[in-house]
Formats: sequence, structure tokens, C-alpha cells
Amino acid sequence: GQSLEQPSEVTAVEGAIVQINCTYQTSGFYGLSWYQQHDGGAPTFLSYNALDGLEETGRFSSFLSRSDSYGYLLLQELQMKDSASYFCAVRDIDSNYQLIWGAGTKLIIKP
Amino acid sequence: EAQVTQNPRYLITVTGKKLTVTCSQNMNHEYMSWYRQDPGLGLRQIYYSMNVEVTDKGDVPEGYKVSRKEKRNFPLILESPSPNQTSLYFCASSSTPDRYEQYFGPGTRLTVT
Repeated sequence: GQSLEQPSEVTAVEGAIVQINCTYQTSGFYGLSWYQQHDGGAPTFLSYNALDGLEETGRFSSFLSRSDSYGYLLLQELQMKDSASYFCAVRDIDSNYQLIWGAGTKLIIKP
Repeated sequence: EAQVTQNPRYLITVTGKKLTVTCSQNMNHEYMSWYRQDPGLGLRQIYYSMNVEVTDKGDVPEGYKVSRKEKRNFPLILESPSPNQTSLYFCASSSTPDRYEQYFGPGTRLTVT
């Protein structure tokens, strides 16, 4: 079966840089996605890595290494509004495009 | 405005009383999905639909039913709700089954007593 592991909680300071890791065990997948969810809100799509390497979107970047079964989300110039939970997800190659989700990382930002 | 809508947003019900949570999207998306979210467990897929009249079980389908008679609607039915179905439910859609970006509805918080 597939599984994704993320830290349950990460704390950082406003203005700093933080990295949220996602490691996975899977026989095959199409790519790694990242979603953001504020308390009481719905998940919203942040980024996707189909290939190894770094994808940058403004203050957010995401990285994938298939050989290491590892990815991460990098948030720069942290703002208080970045306080949220972050989920990694993969689309399973063997089960009809089903999305498999990590349990999420709660990011706490201190002033 | 492109969106996924769910109703109701909040529901408190009793064990055994059938209920339906509606989901509708106005983006002409082929793929729709239902998730439940519980603390510490992330998002778990209940059912998904690749297109009209095509539905498949996700990871936690027991106790739920779905239907996809029209492209825009994907209702979630709990025939006999039980307290372990108390959860936060999300409907999501994407343009095609292989699209990596899913659009989520606002969520339905269900409490079964």
C-alpha cells in the first residue's frame, strides 16, 4: 500500500524560511502535490511536481526526488497568514487516479 | 464564479436517520470525489467518480453511497448514520481524472448523536 509521512507540527518565526518534508512509500505515482488548509477552511492547491527538481511559485517552492522517495515544501519570508496545515498528496499509479494524502503538518508562525 | 458548493454546511442528526449531503460544481469537471477529514488522519477518500454514471470506492466507503446522474452533481448519502461518521466532509472536483489540482467545496461538518 501507499503511505506518506509528514511531521505533525512545525514552528517558525515570521520572516524566516521553513521546510516541510514529505516522505513516501509507494510502488508508483504520477507526481507530488501540496495543499494548504487554514483552520475551518477547505484545502487549496499550492503546487505540483511531476518530475524531480524544484518548482517555484512566488514565496513557495516544492521539491521532489523520486530516487530518495522524498519531497518538501519550502516557504520563504513567512507571514502570519501562512499559519495553516500543509498536506502532501500523490496520485496512485495503480488505483485509478486515486489521491493518497499525508496526515498534514500544522505550521505555527510566531511574531 | 467557478466553485464547488456543498449543502448543508453544518448538520447535527441522530443515529439511523438517513441524510444526503449535496455537492455541485459549475466547472464542467469530469472527476469528483468525497473525503472525510478527522484529526490526525488527514483526508481519506470515501468515493470518487471519473464521469457520469461511473463511481468507485475510495479508502473508507463503508456506510456511504453516492450517485453521479449528472456531471455537475455528486451527492453523498448516509443511509443509516452512526456516531463514527461524525466528521468534516469535503467534496472536490478536477477537470479530468489525471489532473493533479483538485478544487474543494467549503466542507460539511456532520455530527451524529
